[in-house]
Amino acid sequence: NAGVTQTPKFRVLKTGQSMTLLCAQDMNHEYMYWYRQDPGMGLRLIHYSVGEGTTAKGEVPDGYNVSRLKKQNFLLGLESAAPSQTSVYFCASSYSGTTYEQYFGPGTRLTVT
Amino acid sequence: KQEVTQIPAALSVPEGENLVLNCSFTDSAIYNLQWFRQDPGKGLTSLLLIQSSQREQTSGRLNASLDKSSGRSTLYIAASQPGDSATYLCAVRGGGSNYKLTFGKGTLLTVNP
Repeated sequence: NAGVTQTPKFRVLKTGQSMTLLCAQDMNHEYMYWYRQDPGMGLRLIHYSVGEGTTAKGEVPDGYNVSRLKKQNFLLGLESAAPSQTSVYFCASSYSGTTYEQYFGPGTRLTVT
Repeated sequence: KQEVTQIPAALSVPEGENLVLNCSFTDSAIYNLQWFRQDPGKGLTSLLLIQSSQREQTSGRLNASLDKSSGRSTLYIAASQPGDSATYLCAVRGGGSNYKLTFGKGTLLTVNP
């Protein structure tokens, strides 16, 4: 099993450009999450999904949109990138069982100039 | 709002030493607590998960304890090795339908040969 994979690994955008980050998991997990990690801030939840076709806002959702059209995929979109969105983005997934233990992808390093 | 604090922020020890990393949280109404390891430029790897009804969990040289009433958890690493060098993150999940993990900022551990 590949676990949780993220595409791309690195990306540089100019201010105002748009892009989509793709997360895929092959563990048949119901729940999926997008986090951003910034120095001194720790990991913060952007959006999450509790099942196919559902999404919800996390702690820092502004400037991002998400979609969960298929159970195994969770997309994070930036419609108009800003330098404040320079960060490392992590996707995670979990079962809906008793522990909800989260499994993380390798991350996407995004720089907005 | 749940807040998670990890002390110390950084720790440097000689190889072979036993060590303790600390995690505290402000709201004791948690579902579970998860300890992660993060290597530089990599994603998060789950080490141990403790349910709110448990007192401790063990995996190899790692032992995590949970005192929910006092809002504390510790991660004990026995006989540390240079390969244990990484950032260790603590995260708590709220109870009920709150699937969100709240992360601490981590402890950067360096084990010197």
